[in-house]
Amino acid sequence: ETGVTQTPRHLVMGMTNKKSLKCEQHLGHNAMYWYKQSAKKPLELMFVYNFKEQTENNSVPSRFSPECPNSSHLFLHLHTLQPEDSALYLCASSQGSGSGTDTQYFGPGTRLTVL
Amino acid sequence: GQNIDQPTEMTATEGAIVQINCTYQTSGFNGLFWYQQHAGEAPTFLSYNVLDGLEEKGRFSSFLSRSKGYSYLLLKELQMKDSASYLCAVMDSNYQLIWGAGTKLIIKP
Repeated sequence: ETGVTQTPRHLVMGMTNKKSLKCEQHLGHNAMYWYKQSAKKPLELMFVYNFKEQTENNSVPSRFSPECPNSSHLFLHLHTLQPEDSALYLCASSQGSGSGTDTQYFGPGTRLTVL
Repeated sequence: GQNIDQPTEMTATEGAIVQINCTYQTSGFNGLFWYQQHAGEAPTFLSYNVLDGLEEKGRFSSFLSRSKGYSYLLLKELQMKDSASYLCAVMDSNYQLIWGAGTKLIIKP
């Protein structure tokens, strides 16, 4: 148990569906992250929130829409996805200290399949 | 561009020692992290190196050479539960983590 939870753990959706992924951290951290993990590829950083403000958006398509209502919760809203978006979506949190020792702690991920 | 290289897969025997290498080329350096990820689970933090040398934590040790852009993770007295992927990541000058693709370690009895 790392203190970061994600729901759902598995999601299958059609290309026309709208769904949301949820992440919650119980570590008192100030920064939260969304990553995409595809097989045999490096983790791809999608979004970063620090003190509820979005500080990074790494050229992610608009069909992915993040929301961070408070420092403990992070959502990823999905709509009109493509089959190539099928992947493991990982949420992480950190102190947000902006230092080299700002270790990120991960949730178990949501395995997304787009049909 | 920024690049992290590590072997795709390695195999080792229970009870033995294995060394997983990681080389990096990044814009700036603010530390190197190793994570362990079992299949279907969250990556979990193993170690952080920012100064040259060896950091030991029980059966696991991590080494860093900043001048060579090189690190390794050393696992001793291998156990079956060590079968997992090991991810190397470097924090660049913008304090953003740059990730390698991970090394899948298979432990055989």
